[in-house]
Amino acid sequence: DGGITQSPKYLFRKEGQNVTLSCEQNLNHDAMYWYRQDPGQGLRLIYYSQIVNDFQKGDIAEGYSVSREKKESFPLTVTSAQKNPTAFYLCATKSGGAWEETQYFGPGTRLLVL
Amino acid sequence: GQNIDQPTEMTATEGAIVQINCTYQTSGFNGLFWYQQHAGEAPTFLSYNVLDGLEEKGRFSSFLSRSKGYSYLLLKELQMKDSASYLCAVVPAGNKLTFGGGTRVLVKP
Repeated sequence: DGGITQSPKYLFRKEGQNVTLSCEQNLNHDAMYWYRQDPGQGLRLIYYSQIVNDFQKGDIAEGYSVSREKKESFPLTVTSAQKNPTAFYLCATKSGGAWEETQYFGPGTRLLVL
Repeated sequence: GQNIDQPTEMTATEGAIVQINCTYQTSGFNGLFWYQQHAGEAPTFLSYNVLDGLEEKGRFSSFLSRSKGYSYLLLKELQMKDSASYLCAVVPAGNKLTFGGGTRVLVKP
């Protein structure tokens, strides 16, 4: 069954704790992205990776960290430095084709800070 | 910087037509996407325009004018299930998508 999986669907965190959100894909896509969505808002780019062992900051990287040790996996850590982490987090992938720009999204993880 | 504008909310009647406009100012342009997002779910791909003109896909059509920095998404024969947010996103120079704030469409019976 091909696709993008994100786990967990809902995540609760206490203030001051780090938490890691999972994103796995079996589409053999090269590029992976993390977005944050706040209620009634569009998506904002946190980090992206175009190839294994390489990643770049997006527009709102502060308080977040990522790794890309495997092509299939791009976990996002929300650190205690992120002052307002409650949001809907979406992972997306894109194939590496020269003319392929379409990004496909996973089901998302809703993070709530208690 | 990048700037993408679309209306916040629109209301229409079942069976009618709704047009969602999107204007953009970006450094470079490699295409424009429309995504549909139902509440609490992930965005799903609707259309991709890179050349000027109208692309039709069933009840949905998307139009692009690069010289005007303008696109619209046209939803025909509206159904209740079309109630969702519609996100306009531009690929400027580079590989990053830049999203507008989304337009919430409410379809009433």
